Amino acid sequence: AQTVTQSQPEMSVQEAETVTLSCTYDTSESDYYLFWYKQPPSRQMILVIRQEAYKQQNATENRFSVNFQKAAKSFSLKISDSQLGDAAMYFCAYRKDGTSYGKLTFGQGTILTVHP
Amino acid sequence: GAVVSQHPSRVICKSGTSVKIECRSLDFQATTMFWYRQFPKKSLMLMATSNEGSKATYEQGVEKDKFLINHASLTLSTLTVTSAHPEDSSFYICSVGQASGEQYFGPGTRLTVT
Repeated sequence: AQTVTQSQPEMSVQEAETVTLSCTYDTSESDYYLFWYKQPPSRQMILVIRQEAYKQQNATENRFSVNFQKAAKSFSLKISDSQLGDAAMYFCAYRKDGTSYGKLTFGQGTILTVHP
Repeated sequence: GAVVSQHPSRVICKSGTSVKIECRSLDFQATTMFWYRQFPKKSLMLMATSNEGSKATYEQGVEKDKFLINHASLTLSTLTVTSAHPEDSSFYICSVGQASGEQYFGPGTRLTVT
């Protein structure tokens, strides 16, 4: 079974600084999808970024980027120029296939605090 | 991405009663929806996969007779918590699966059983 591990229960960062959230996963599949979701205090889950395993290029969405290391099964999220609105719980997630019925496996989550 | 709504956003019910939570896909025809349960500051736990026009697929350990799921149309799935007890109090979230691989989530429903 696939597992996703986020080893940092909590992280903090100063506003405008950069922070990296770690995620490792275990799978025997060669093709899969990885995601980072953000859950702010409102508890609405928001997709931050996605990465297809067959793509070597790391995904980037504005201030959010990932460092995808397929051989190491590592998928970290870097947030640049942190803003107060980035404060949230972040979940790393794995999905085996790209169909609509593929299940997501979530990590334990990392609570990110942003200090002004 | 897909826009997903849930109703109600919060509900309080008495022990022994049943409560229904609706999940609607507002701009996307969803053949598959997912139901999750989340405890405070914890991860999402998948309860079941809801398939339009067929029976839901429940995860191991989830009581299908207690958590009834109906996915009667491409835009609506419902979760009914039957004979609710205080231990069923939780945050319930639904999501819509898209062929591109993402899931888009509803805003969640906070259930409190007194």
